Amino acid sequence: NAGVTQTPKFRVLKTGQSMTLLCAQDMNHEYMYWYRQDPGMGLRLIHYSVGEGTTAKGEVPDGYNVSRLKKQNFLLGLESAAPSQTSVYFCASSSLRGRGPDTQYFGPGTRLTVL
Amino acid sequence: GNSVTQMEGPVTLSEEAFLTINCTYTATGYPSLFWYVQYPGEGLQLLLKATKADDKGSNKGFEATYRKETTSFHLEKGSVQVSDSAVYFCALSDRGGSSNTGKLIFGQGTTLQVKP
Repeated sequence: NAGVTQTPKFRVLKTGQSMTLLCAQDMNHEYMYWYRQDPGMGLRLIHYSVGEGTTAKGEVPDGYNVSRLKKQNFLLGLESAAPSQTSVYFCASSSLRGRGPDTQYFGPGTRLTVL
Repeated sequence: GNSVTQMEGPVTLSEEAFLTINCTYTATGYPSLFWYVQYPGEGLQLLLKATKADDKGSNKGFEATYRKETTSFHLEKGSVQVSDSAVYFCALSDRGGSSNTGKLIFGQGTTLQVKP
């Protein structure tokens, strides 16, 4: 199992450009999450999905969109990148256990710089 | 709302020293508590967890006890190694209510540097 993978690993954008970050998991997990990590602020939840075809907003969703067309993939889109979106982005997934999700497993991250 | 507060770092210790990283939380209901570790250039890995009061999570010599009375989940290790140098994150997951989404709320992270 590859676990949770993210592409690309690094990316530099100019202000106003768009891009899509791809997260893939091969563990048949129901739940998927996108976080951003900024210095001194820990990780903050951007969007999440509780199953194929569903998405919901997290703590900091503005400027981002997501899609979960296939159970194994969770895409994060930036329609018009801004310097404030310079960050490290982490994807995570978890299985369904009992009434809710189990432990989250994280990908290696994508380092995005917006100039 | 729910929140997690960790002691500020960086924490610098000599090899074989005793480690404590403080973590306190504010939450409604009965959250699960976690410690994640991030090694340089890598993603987060689950270190240990506890799902109810008085539970003790342990892994790789690290321990943390879920203290509901003090709303704390402090991380401890009796003898640290250079290889333990990393960033440690305390987190909680709110399991209460009808919408159990597993969202994690993280503390700001504590950098640990262990010198030989």
